Amino acid sequence: DGGITQSPKYLFRKEGQNVTLSCEQNLNHDAMYWYRQDPGQGLRLIYYSQIVNDFQKGDIAEGYSVSREKKESFPLTVTSAQKNPTAFYLCASRGTGHDTKNTEAFFGQGTRLTVV
Amino acid sequence: AQKVTQAQTEISVVEKEDVTLDCVYETRDTTYYLFWYKQPPSGELVFLIRRNSFDEQNEISGRYSWNFQKSTSSFNFTITASQVVDSAVYFCALHSSGAGSYQLTFGKGTKLSVIP
Repeated sequence: DGGITQSPKYLFRKEGQNVTLSCEQNLNHDAMYWYRQDPGQGLRLIYYSQIVNDFQKGDIAEGYSVSREKKESFPLTVTSAQKNPTAFYLCASRGTGHDTKNTEAFFGQGTRLTVV
Repeated sequence: AQKVTQAQTEISVVEKEDVTLDCVYETRDTTYYLFWYKQPPSGELVFLIRRNSFDEQNEISGRYSWNFQKSTSSFNFTITASQVVDSAVYFCALHSSGAGSYQLTFGKGTKLSVIP
């Protein structure tokens, strides 16, 4: 079945360590997104990518990095520079064609990151 | 810049009551898309509806209905005869592709609790 997969579901990290969250989609979507969700804050955009080998900073990119070497994959690295990384992270993808049916985003199940 | 405001942070209703979730948006683009998503306790966002800026026709799907009014920049969501399974966080989102951007902006969400 087509979909978007995030792994792992739960992740624990020691302070000062980098950690990479995986996001894979087989929907043939061009655009992919990473959001961070904190209680009462809704979804805040970290990074997004419209096409392979290109990505743009969102509203809260500091302390995060991404890559988009393949259309299917958009991994997010939470670096030690991110001062408060404990949060729920959601990855999404969407088509970017002119067909309006491609406009909604599909989301993964999320990764809950906890810094210990 | 685009913005989505969901002024209601939390709503509680008794089962079988009707409830309306408000969404107000801001964008300078004439072509844009609006969405509603449901986030159950499991965390994954579930797509509910898409509406483009050229289609102001209201839509009904079972117990769900949506009222899109460009004059007031609102896209409100009504659940009729609410059920306990409707308890979730609901997000309104906006996408406009002005200047080639593919950003998808979310409101902060409204937490709906349906009490049996």
